[in-house]
Amino acid sequence: EAQVTQNPRYLITVTGKKLTVTCSQNMNHEYMSWYRQDPGLGLRQIYYSMNVEVTDKGDVPEGYKVSRKEKRNFPLILESPSPNQTSLYFCASTSRSSYNSPLHFGNGTRLTVT
Amino acid sequence: GQNIDQPTEMTATEGAIVQINCTYQTSGFNGLFWYQQHAGEAPTFLSYNVLDGLEEKGRFSSFLSRSKGYSYLLLKELQMKDSASYLCAVRALKAAGNKLTFGGGTRVLVKP
Repeated sequence: EAQVTQNPRYLITVTGKKLTVTCSQNMNHEYMSWYRQDPGLGLRQIYYSMNVEVTDKGDVPEGYKVSRKEKRNFPLILESPSPNQTSLYFCASTSRSSYNSPLHFGNGTRLTVT
Repeated sequence: GQNIDQPTEMTATEGAIVQINCTYQTSGFNGLFWYQQHAGEAPTFLSYNVLDGLEEKGRFSSFLSRSKGYSYLLLKELQMKDSASYLCAVRALKAAGNKLTFGGGTRVLVKP
């Protein structure tokens, strides 16, 4: 089954404790991205990657890091989480083959930073 | 930059029709997407429009007018399971990584 898999689904942590959210896709998509979703603000792009070892900032990159060492994986790293990073996070992937390719989303990670 | 507006919330009755409007402003346009998102779940793709007109997919239809920067999603024969948020998203011309910019979403509540 074609899917984007994120882990964990829920995460509660404390300020300053480094964490990683994993993301993997099995559709051989070139493009991957991370979004955060907050009430009233919609989905906002954090980082994206167009290929292995090619990453770039989205609209709200502060406080986040990413890496793309393999085509299928795109982890999101919070080196020193803060309470304003409490949010619902989604990983997404899409094919570069066509401009009408939709984003395919993972099931989300609900992060709480206390 | 891009700006996308849609109503925050709508209520409708089971079996009825609801129309969710979306207006957008973008410096270059390469398509408009609609997604459905149940609470706490991932958004799932519903429809894509890049040319003016109506695209129909079963109970759901989506309309686009590029000159007006306007789209709507029409949900017919509403069912209780249609209670969800509906997200309007725009792809700009030459969007890096096929990025989508999302509106805030419209929460639709279907009542019996």
